[in-house]
Amino acid sequence: AQSVAQPEDQVNVAEGNPLTVKCTYSVSGNPYLFWYVQYPNRGLQFLLKYITGDNLVKGSYGFEAEFNKSQTSFHLKKPSALVSDSALYFCAVRDMPRRGSTLGRLYFGRGTQLTVWP
Amino acid sequence: DTGVSQNPRHKITKRGQNVTFRCDPISEHNRLYWYRQTLGQGPEFLTYFQNEAQLEKSRLLSDRFSAERPKGSFSTLEIQRTEQGDSAMYLCASTPTQPSGNEQFFGPGTRLTVL
Repeated sequence: AQSVAQPEDQVNVAEGNPLTVKCTYSVSGNPYLFWYVQYPNRGLQFLLKYITGDNLVKGSYGFEAEFNKSQTSFHLKKPSALVSDSALYFCAVRDMPRRGSTLGRLYFGRGTQLTVWP
Repeated sequence: DTGVSQNPRHKITKRGQNVTFRCDPISEHNRLYWYRQTLGQGPEFLTYFQNEAQLEKSRLLSDRFSAERPKGSFSTLEIQRTEQGDSAMYLCASTPTQPSGNEQFFGPGTRLTVL
């Protein structure tokens, strides 16, 4: 069964420092991987995705993520954190479309609260 | 605004009442998803539409829940005889069928509080 683990409920980092939000996944077959961000009382905003190709993907607001197949990880990174990056971050996975599969359902982690202090 | 919209944004109801939420997806997105998010958890899949056809329902979707997408455009999610455990954020998302790796675009959600 598909699943996502975000091992850290909270990540705290000083502004200007690099940040990492961790994600590991379990799927049958090759994964499609996504990162979303959620601000208070708002829906989810798409940040970036890995479908195929380069293991390092770049997304919105200076975020990037590295796909590591051997470690089944997809950690979110940013070289220099901003106070405005403080939000709830979700990693999600779906399996590749194939006959008989659930078409496009996302499986989310529990989320990681990122706090960047000035 | 061409994003996914949801109405109402907030709903407070008494236990036992029926509630209905509406989702308007991005125009021409033929796939529509409903998710439920409770405090401290990630969104959990409820149901999925391809155009007007409801192709999958989660086990979370008890018989008190029903969803429709009658013309393949907007969708409604109804909860009958609400219970306190139904209190959550209900999220709608849409995406086009192709390419298959497209991300889902989420609406702002409807926050339901059952008293």
